[in-house]
Amino acid sequence: LAKTTQPISMDSYEGQEVNITCSHNNIATNDYITWYQQFPSQGPRFIIQGYKTKVTNEVASLFIPADRKSSTLSLPRVSLSDTAVYYCLVGDSGNTPLVFGKGTRLSVIA
Amino acid sequence: NAGVTQTPKFRVLKTGQSMTLLCAQDMNHEYMYWYRQDPGMGLRLIHYSVGEGTTAKGEVPDGYNVSRLKKQNFLLGLESAAPSQTSVYFCASRATGTGSYEQYFGPGTRLTVT
Repeated sequence: LAKTTQPISMDSYEGQEVNITCSHNNIATNDYITWYQQFPSQGPRFIIQGYKTKVTNEVASLFIPADRKSSTLSLPRVSLSDTAVYYCLVGDSGNTPLVFGKGTRLSVIA
Repeated sequence: NAGVTQTPKFRVLKTGQSMTLLCAQDMNHEYMYWYRQDPGMGLRLIHYSVGEGTTAKGEVPDGYNVSRLKKQNFLLGLESAAPSQTSVYFCASRATGTGSYEQYFGPGTRLTVT
């Protein structure tokens, strides 16, 4: 299973763009990259997934360089409600489940 | 659709007691998972299932058993509860063959073992 490394915590002011980078140096050819968001006392919620280059949806963008050894989750114009823990997961489509690390605790300040 | 539901939401057990947590999903998902989350920590996989009648061990399976007799249900059992099993337990499910790795999580069960 590919291991991931993320910053433990980050702070940001409201309205700023936040970029959280995840390192996954031993990512395999078939592995996808997935990000989840978790609020206190709730289960994680899927944000975005990608394989290479850039993926964008209504809440975030995911940037993946050509070597795929890292990925960056970009949250545009964060608000207080984006305060949460963000998890980066790497894995393939097989039966082996993905592993949640400790995540990045994002605090958005007014 | 109710999505993923978990029963019960809260439970207090004495050391040595047993209990079963129920996870149900109405999305016809093949894969189901049980995680535990300790305070300030990430999720750790206990057991998972890739289809009806199948189960497999995750990262921290000791002290737990599971069963997947019906596709929509995944049961997590504690035969003899210990204080170290005090945690929040999350169930999740995922579809296959869609190209998406999205896991849908339930609201969690907060278990305290005294």
